[in-house]
Amino acid sequence: DGGITQSPKYLFRKEGQNVTLSCEQNLNHDAMYWYRQDPGQGLRLIYYSQIVNDFQKGDIAEGYSVSREKKESFPLTVTSAQKNPTAFYLCASSPPHLLDTQYFGPGTRLTVL
Amino acid sequence: GDSVTQMEGPVTLSEEAFLTINCTYTATGYPSLFWYVQYPGEGLQLLLKATKADDKGSNKGFEATYRKETTSFHLEKGSVQVSDSAVYFCALSDRRTGNQFYFGTGTSLTVIP
Repeated sequence: DGGITQSPKYLFRKEGQNVTLSCEQNLNHDAMYWYRQDPGQGLRLIYYSQIVNDFQKGDIAEGYSVSREKKESFPLTVTSAQKNPTAFYLCASSPPHLLDTQYFGPGTRLTVL
Repeated sequence: GDSVTQMEGPVTLSEEAFLTINCTYTATGYPSLFWYVQYPGEGLQLLLKATKADDKGSNKGFEATYRKETTSFHLEKGSVQVSDSAVYFCALSDRRTGNQFYFGTGTSLTVIP
């Protein structure tokens, strides 16, 4: 089956620890995105990547880092510098012929204790 | 800058009632407009889209018409079901800003039997 997978679905970490969230897609999409969702709010863009080995900061990149070594994978690291990391994180991707449309993974809920 | 404003929730309706969720947008260019739906604990699913003025997007009984004169993209359904209970997000993608997505804050819909 083609799709976007995120793992794990739930993640718990202690304060001060870095944590990496996985996002994989087998749709052959070039563009990938990371969003953060907080209760009662819309989605806010963290980072995006239009092509392998290239990525750009979104609106709230501080305290996060990404890599794009493979087309299929776009992991997000939430660092200890992120002051309020508890949130629902969503990964998305866009097909090359439809860059104005995004398809989302199931999300990872991160809770920092 | 670009932005999306959608009606505040939550919205509670009886089964078979008529649904309208208002959405207006601000954009410098000619955006594509979207409605996404999010079921509890899941990622966003694309519900419908429209790419130019007067286009109507439709899916699963939901409809929305791209109105350039009123900068609106209201979501409607003639007869809601309990299974339609979810959070609905209006969004735009603007080619002038590299297809960056802008999301509304979401409207929670609960349909009661």
